[in-house]
Amino acid sequence: EAGVTQFPSHSVIEKGQTVTLRCDPISGHDNLYWYRRVMGKEIKFLLHFVKESKQDESGMPNNRFLAERTGGTYSTLKVQPAELEDSGVYFCASSHGMSYGETQYFGPGTRLLVL
Amino acid sequence: AQSVTQLGSHVSVSEGALVLLRCNYSSSVPPYLFWYVQYPNQGLQLLLKYTSAATLVKGINGFEAEFKKSETSFHLTKPSAHMSDAAEYFCAVSTKTSYDKVIFGPGTSLSVIP
Repeated sequence: EAGVTQFPSHSVIEKGQTVTLRCDPISGHDNLYWYRRVMGKEIKFLLHFVKESKQDESGMPNNRFLAERTGGTYSTLKVQPAELEDSGVYFCASSHGMSYGETQYFGPGTRLLVL
Repeated sequence: AQSVTQLGSHVSVSEGALVLLRCNYSSSVPPYLFWYVQYPNQGLQLLLKYTSAATLVKGINGFEAEFKKSETSFHLTKPSAHMSDAAEYFCAVSTKTSYDKVIFGPGTSLSVIP
């Protein structure tokens, strides 16, 4: 069974440009999460989809970030325009259900560098 | 609100020595606790989790952790370190009221010295 995949693995862009990150969850997982780790700090929650609906987007830093999950399958996270402080590792995770203590399975992350 | 602290951003142990990575949490409601590991250039992998069953939790690769409510701790141990254990380890917490959000600690980078 394939795990969570993320594309690209690395991205280097200039300040002001747009970047789109993609996440493919484990097949059959309705729940999809985005997290990020900025500059060696804690990994922080960004948002949570249940199928195609945003269940919780309380962690999204500002309106330069837009997440979508059309059709309830893969998800994209767009940063537009990118700022220097957006550099970091963006992780995607998925889970089958949303029960207490359910394991979230993480992808390898996308390493974003904004110059 | 929940939070996690990990004592020591970097820990070095000799091969064959005991591994002890410390984690303390703060939560106003009963927590669910996790240890994740990130090997170089890989994603986060679940080592073990505590969800209010047995307080001593055994995970993969010989790791285990003990939930101690009185000490608000969930330290990770392994009796004998292997070179392959070199990685970054993250302690994390979620609760029944916020189970979609996993709150991570800052991570501890483990080095294993031959």
